Amino acid sequence: QKEVEQNSGPLSVPEGAIASLNCTYSDRGSQSFFWYRQYSGKSPELIMSIYSNGDKEDGRFTAQLNKASQYVSLLIRDSQPSDSATYLCAVNNSPGNQFYFGTGTSLTVIP
Amino acid sequence: DAGVIQSPRHEVTEMGQEVTLRCKPISGHNSLFWYRQTMMRGLELLIYFNNNVPIDDSGMPEDRFSAKMPNASFSTLKIQPSEPRDSAVYFCASSSKPRGGNQPQHFGDGTRLSIL
Repeated sequence: QKEVEQNSGPLSVPEGAIASLNCTYSDRGSQSFFWYRQYSGKSPELIMSIYSNGDKEDGRFTAQLNKASQYVSLLIRDSQPSDSATYLCAVNNSPGNQFYFGTGTSLTVIP
Repeated sequence: DAGVIQSPRHEVTEMGQEVTLRCKPISGHNSLFWYRQTMMRGLELLIYFNNNVPIDDSGMPEDRFSAKMPNASFSTLKIQPSEPRDSAVYFCASSSKPRGGNQPQHFGDGTRLSIL
C-alpha cells in the first residue's frame, strides 16, 4: 500500500465549475498536509497547507482534512483554464520530517 | 528572497560519463531532499538530509548514485557512470523543521538530465 494515494485522472471540468481533488494517506500519525500544483515542465509549487481537521480557505482554493478517515481534499471554485495542471498531495510525518507525495491528479479546465 | 537554486538547468551527456547536480537550499532551512521525476514513475524521493546528515537514502536506485551535503548551504547528487535510464528531471527541495510543527517543502526549478 502506498503512503499517499490519488486518482491520476485525468479530471476535466468546464470553466467556472468546482474541481474536486482527493487524496488518502495510510499513516495515522501524519501531521501536516500539503497541496502542490505542477505545470508541465515546471517544478511543484505549494498552494495550500493544512494541519488540523476541517476546512481551510485561501481565495478560490479550499483544503479539507479528515484525520479520522485519513482523507484530504482540495476544492477549486470557479475553475479557470490557468488551473489546468497536475496537483500533488503531500503528507509529512514527524519527527523525521519525511514527506510522502502522491502520484498526482491531472486537471484540465475546459474553456 | 532567494528560493532553492539548482544547477545546471539542463545537462546532456553521453552514457558512462559522470554527472554532478548541485543544489543550494533556502537559507535557514535544515532539511534537504533530492527527487527524480519521470512520466512513468512520477516524483520519487531519492534521499533526504536533516542538518546535513543523510536520514533516508532508500530511494537511491543503485550504487551509481551518491549524494553529499558538506554544509548547510550546498548539496550534490552524483551519478557515475550514467546510463540512458537515468534521464529524468531531478528536483532539489528544502524545508525548515521548527519545533512543534512541520513546514512545507520548497522546490528548485530542477535539472533536466538527458543521457545519450
